[in-house]
Amino acid sequence: DQQVKQNSPSLSVQEGRISILNCDYTNSMFDYFLWYKKYPAEGPTFLISISSIKDKNEDGRFTVFLNKSAKHLSLHIVPSQPGDSAVYFCAASGNNQGGKLIFGQGTELSVKP
Amino acid sequence: DTGVSQNPRHKITKRGQNVTFRCDPISEHNRLYWYRQTLGQGPEFLTYFQNEAQLEKSRLLSDRFSAERPKGSFSTLEIQRTEQGDSAMYLCASSLVVTGADTQYFGPGTRLTVL
Repeated sequence: DQQVKQNSPSLSVQEGRISILNCDYTNSMFDYFLWYKKYPAEGPTFLISISSIKDKNEDGRFTVFLNKSAKHLSLHIVPSQPGDSAVYFCAASGNNQGGKLIFGQGTELSVKP
Repeated sequence: DTGVSQNPRHKITKRGQNVTFRCDPISEHNRLYWYRQTLGQGPEFLTYFQNEAQLEKSRLLSDRFSAERPKGSFSTLEIQRTEQGDSAMYLCASSLVVTGADTQYFGPGTRLTVL
């Protein structure tokens, strides 16, 4: 049972444009959501998070939007840079999860110069 | 603050051998997590500690796997009688939880290859 889904395995964007990465979840008890970026042979790096009491959180070029009724979140990167090319994972946790994160399968972002 | 560190970074072993991995969390972080990641998948939760207490273990963690965090600082993950299916990236993460959100910071991982 995949509780967190990233339905796009890959995304290609031109440098300077907006990148939009999507994530859907099924468990309504999730109350905290995170995005991680991962380069090959490295561990995931924390990017940005959002609590379920908010619908938007912004940090520099990164903005996360949460739509609780649709059980959907998205990560916007504006403007996209070649160094953003990596695999992006969304993750979710909730009080009934004991702190553990449930990850999606990841979306590989390629930003072309 | 040097972040979460893991040793070794790579381990190649023969089937049936035992292996042990070490994780040093960010100092003062009270929670420590172990995850496993295979190709094309997101990390999957294995177990976690709050200080020295192991609070949860995934059903993925068979009897061949054991984890410890003896003094609430570093942690070890041991796999006994390794199998080829154990080949994966083993990730450690730590967090400081007082109330509310639990943001986990990951180490670089240990890549295990079982021949």
